[in-house]
Amino acid sequence: AQSVTQLGSHVSVSEGALVLLRCNYSSSVPPYLFWYVQYPNQGLQLLLKYTSAATLVKGINGFEAEFKKSETSFHLTKPSAHMSDAAEYFCAVSDGSSASKIIFGSGTRLSIRP
Amino acid sequence: GAGVSQSPSNKVTEKGKDVELRCDPISGHTALYWYRQSLGQGLEFLIYFQGNSAPDKSGLPSDRFSAERTGGSVSTLTIQRTQQEDSAVYLCAGTNREGIGELFFGEGSRLTVL
Repeated sequence: AQSVTQLGSHVSVSEGALVLLRCNYSSSVPPYLFWYVQYPNQGLQLLLKYTSAATLVKGINGFEAEFKKSETSFHLTKPSAHMSDAAEYFCAVSDGSSASKIIFGSGTRLSIRP
Repeated sequence: GAGVSQSPSNKVTEKGKDVELRCDPISGHTALYWYRQSLGQGLEFLIYFQGNSAPDKSGLPSDRFSAERTGGSVSTLTIQRTQQEDSAVYLCAGTNREGIGELFFGEGSRLTVL
């Protein structure tokens, strides 16, 4: 069974600083990995996904994530934080088959300091 | 509209009452998920409907919870004899690419059990 662990329920960075949100996964088969974002008072939306092609995946709003099999990680980064990035971020995993449910982590709330 | 519609958006009920939560997914989305979002708990998988296959009910927390999907479209999540710990936001999501696709989420039904 697949699972994800997000280290840090709350991350705070200064505007312009690097954003790093951590996600580690557990999967018995090659995983499909996702990052979703939930802005305040809005629904969740897909930020980016890894589906066994390039290991460095670029998403919307300048975010990217790198799949590292040896570390079972899929950390989310952005070089320079913007105030509008303040949101809840969720990592998710599936095994890529049509029968696979998508399992989410516990989320990381990102705050941006002016 | 073209998005995922959930109703009611807010429901306050008394302990012991039954509640029904409805999800109307995007037309053509063959897969439908229910998740529960509690403060600090992330998104907890509840149930997954995939086309005409038997649903994956492995996430339902107790036999008080049930869900159905009629005609491959609208889904209803029913909670019988509600308890205070059932208080949460219940999210519905759909996709037309099971396991690997982007999930399209509704805005959720916030349930409060007094």
